[in-house]
Amino acid sequence: KAGVTQTPRYLIKTRGQQVTLSCSPISGHRSVSWYQQTPGQGLQFLFEYFSETQRNKGNFPGRFSGRQFSNSRSEMNVSTLELGDSALYLCASSMGTEITYEQYFGPGTRLTVT
Amino acid sequence: AQSVAQPEDQVNVAEGNPLTVKCTYSVSGNPYLFWYVQYPNRGLQFLLKYITGDNLVKGSYGFEAEFNKSQTSFHLKKPSALVSDSALYFCAVSASSGGSYIPTFGRGTSLIVHP
Repeated sequence: KAGVTQTPRYLIKTRGQQVTLSCSPISGHRSVSWYQQTPGQGLQFLFEYFSETQRNKGNFPGRFSGRQFSNSRSEMNVSTLELGDSALYLCASSMGTEITYEQYFGPGTRLTVT
Repeated sequence: AQSVAQPEDQVNVAEGNPLTVKCTYSVSGNPYLFWYVQYPNRGLQFLLKYITGDNLVKGSYGFEAEFNKSQTSFHLKKPSALVSDSALYFCAVSASSGGSYIPTFGRGTSLIVHP
């Protein structure tokens, strides 16, 4: 099976702009989660989608949003970018939304905000 | 609130020696514990998990972890380290709260295996 894919891999944006990141989960996986990874804060959970519904949400401002399509592909949007949004954004998929499922991560999108 | 601590930012070990990467956690209720590994410029890869049952869990690439409820620990171990094991290791915990859960990851431990 193909792994989790994320596009684009690298992105440079200017403060105030918005950005959309895309994630395609492993075939058959219906749960998609998003994380922000930074050297200072580590890996922080953004949100999880399952069957096109947001099931869990981390402690991030409303500028961070996401959605999931019927084919389980997911997008994450960040509006009004700030310098502090520079990070590696990781997408992860799993078989379901059960707490016991392990997650499979994509390679990430490296976002740089200037 | 749940939390995970990885007390060592970096662990150095010689190839062939046993390795241990430490993890302690704090949750309300039953913990579900995971170890992931991240190689440079790659996403995280699942190594192993503890859900219930045997306290010693075996995972990928010869890694194992021991769940210790009294010490709230879930240390990652390997009997004989390889240079290729050098990577960033993350411990994670999930616990159900009101029907939902948010997985919490540790800050990561950089493992360096010297030839």
